[in-house]
Amino acid sequence: EDKVVQSPLSLVVHEGDTVTLNCSYEVTNFRSLLWYKQEKKAPTFLFMLTSSGIEKKSGRLSSILDKKELFSILNITATQTGDSAVYLCATPKGAGSYQLTFGKGTKLSVIP
Amino acid sequence: GAVVSQHPSWVICKSGTSVKIECRSLDFQATTMFWYRQFPKQSLMLMATSNEGSKATYEQGVEKDKFLINHASLTLSTLTVTSAHPEDSSFYICSASSDRGYEQYFGPGTRLTVT
Repeated sequence: EDKVVQSPLSLVVHEGDTVTLNCSYEVTNFRSLLWYKQEKKAPTFLFMLTSSGIEKKSGRLSSILDKKELFSILNITATQTGDSAVYLCATPKGAGSYQLTFGKGTKLSVIP
Repeated sequence: GAVVSQHPSWVICKSGTSVKIECRSLDFQATTMFWYRQFPKQSLMLMATSNEGSKATYEQGVEKDKFLINHASLTLSTLTVTSAHPEDSSFYICSASSDRGYEQYFGPGTRLTVT
């Protein structure tokens, strides 16, 4: 059975800190890994990673995939209170499926 | 790009009535749409997957006669909660993906309260 494990489950940091969120996965027929941010409403798409070692960047957020070690990290630099959210990673299920297996998420709280 | 809308964003209904929730992809063609529900402080739970023009595939434990899903076009899917009960109160979220990639784009969600 496909498995996505995120760590830590929750994290509290001060504004300006840099954080690293982890996501490890065990899936058959790996195709991609996705990161989402969920605040009070539905998740918003951040990144999709398909290739090892290629960093994707958007502002203060960046992410990278290691297909050999089966994990991905999401980095947030110079955190702001608006970064407080649950960060989810997910991978598509078996061959031909568009369904996603989600991790339980990392709840990030950024305090002023 | 890749915007998904849901309507309504919030609905209250009486027990025994039916409620329809719409999910639209605004700027892309969604060959596949997904319906999730989420309880407070819990993860997303996939209810069903629908492809345009065909019957939805329901996850185990989800009653297909209670949660009717229609995906009549490449930009619209609807979820109808029939004979709603208070235990159906939840946050319902749709997502959509095109045939170009595996990323799903989520709608803003619909909060259903059944009294």
